Amino acid sequence: QKEVEQDPGPLSVPEGAIVSLNCTYSNSAFQYFMWYRQYSRKGPELLMYTYSSGNKEDGRFTAQVDKSSKYISLFIRDSQPSDSATYLCAMRDTGFQKLVFGTGTRLLVSP
Amino acid sequence: KAGVTQTPRYLIKTRGQQVTLSCSPISGHRSVSWYQQTPGQGLQFLFEYFSETQRNKGNFPGRFSGRQFSNSRSEMNVSTLELGDSALYLCASSLEDSLTQAFFGQGTRLTVV
Repeated sequence: QKEVEQDPGPLSVPEGAIVSLNCTYSNSAFQYFMWYRQYSRKGPELLMYTYSSGNKEDGRFTAQVDKSSKYISLFIRDSQPSDSATYLCAMRDTGFQKLVFGTGTRLLVSP
Repeated sequence: KAGVTQTPRYLIKTRGQQVTLSCSPISGHRSVSWYQQTPGQGLQFLFEYFSETQRNKGNFPGRFSGRQFSNSRSEMNVSTLELGDSALYLCASSLEDSLTQAFFGQGTRLTVV
């Protein structure tokens, strides 16, 4: 079993929809949680990061962490065709200098 | 501010050869990490360097090695290439020793034939 599980999709939504992307994890030591966006043939781009549990909002993006359920989410409001990309969750604990990634969810937003 | 620069962008090598990939981090960033990305396994951690010291290493064979120079630039080397080493190799840099804001380069696409 992988430490971080993420549905690969693809997830297809119409423009303007609210998108929910999720990851589950098994390592209770994870304290830092990140979301990256990766366009085809590009490197991952950091969208948001949170520490421990709670919510964080940045424009159309909201990240949620529920450590009791070992579950994190990224919500995208008013989705745009330009949001079409692969979204990767990543996590790390305080003791190790490495990020553990989910395999990514491919999102397609149609006009 | 320039981003993370990886060279070369594309590389084709033959089985058994060796390859060296380069990464120049964002100015001021002293932590550099390397990841391998494949369709089946996603991003997998190779190693991380901070101030020329390797602090952590992933579960890859000894054919994969790296180093960091005093100017924080980093190289990774893969010896005796195998077909399964074909992947996108990504470098990420971060400020001081925090990985919560790691910025990735465009990657080097390695194809082993």
